[in-house]
Amino acid sequence: DQQVKQNSPSLSVQEGRISILNCDYTNSMFDYFLWYKKYPAEGPTFLISISSIKDKNEDGRFTVFLNKSAKHLSLHIVPSQPGDSAVYFCAAFISNFGNEKLTFGTGTRLTIIP
Amino acid sequence: ETGVTQTPRHLVMGMTNKKSLKCEQHLGHNAMYWYKQSAKKPLELMFVYNFKEQTENNSVPSRFSPECPNSSHLFLHLHTLQPEDSALYLCASSQDVASGRYEQYFGPGTRLTVT
Repeated sequence: DQQVKQNSPSLSVQEGRISILNCDYTNSMFDYFLWYKKYPAEGPTFLISISSIKDKNEDGRFTVFLNKSAKHLSLHIVPSQPGDSAVYFCAAFISNFGNEKLTFGTGTRLTIIP
Repeated sequence: ETGVTQTPRHLVMGMTNKKSLKCEQHLGHNAMYWYKQSAKKPLELMFVYNFKEQTENNSVPSRFSPECPNSSHLFLHLHTLQPEDSALYLCASSQDVASGRYEQYFGPGTRLTVT
């Protein structure tokens, strides 16, 4: 059973516009969420995270929004740049001690069109 | 070297071979992880080591054997693998869980092909 879902396998966005990547989860025990970016032939790179006590976290061009009641989070990238073309994974975590599992979604391939 | 490094980057092995994957982290972290990424599947956690102690074995077959001699190094010993074990194997590290820092930092991965 897929506990973290990214229902859009791919997304194309014009350069300069906003990219919105979505992620849904089913386990209400998740209380920490992360976004990773992956280029081909490289490992995932940590981008931004959010704790369940917040509904928004911003870092430069990247903002993550969390809607706990809908069990939904999204990553906004604005303005989108060609270097943002990559696969984006969301991941979720239960922060009680003794459980170090990150549960990943299947990823969304973002293509920025110049 | 900085971050998390993995060697080799590519490995082709027969089903009767024995090989090892190596991971090293230069971030001062205390937790290390092995993940498997197969085509069109999410990253699957295989093993977790926290302060050199294995704290998670995610129902991984015994043909995969991890070793963590210290907090900076992690190995994955492979023997009698099957073709379906062909995948990208990723190593990651993080601060220990009690620190409240949950971000994991990944190496570039080893692309394994079992023939």
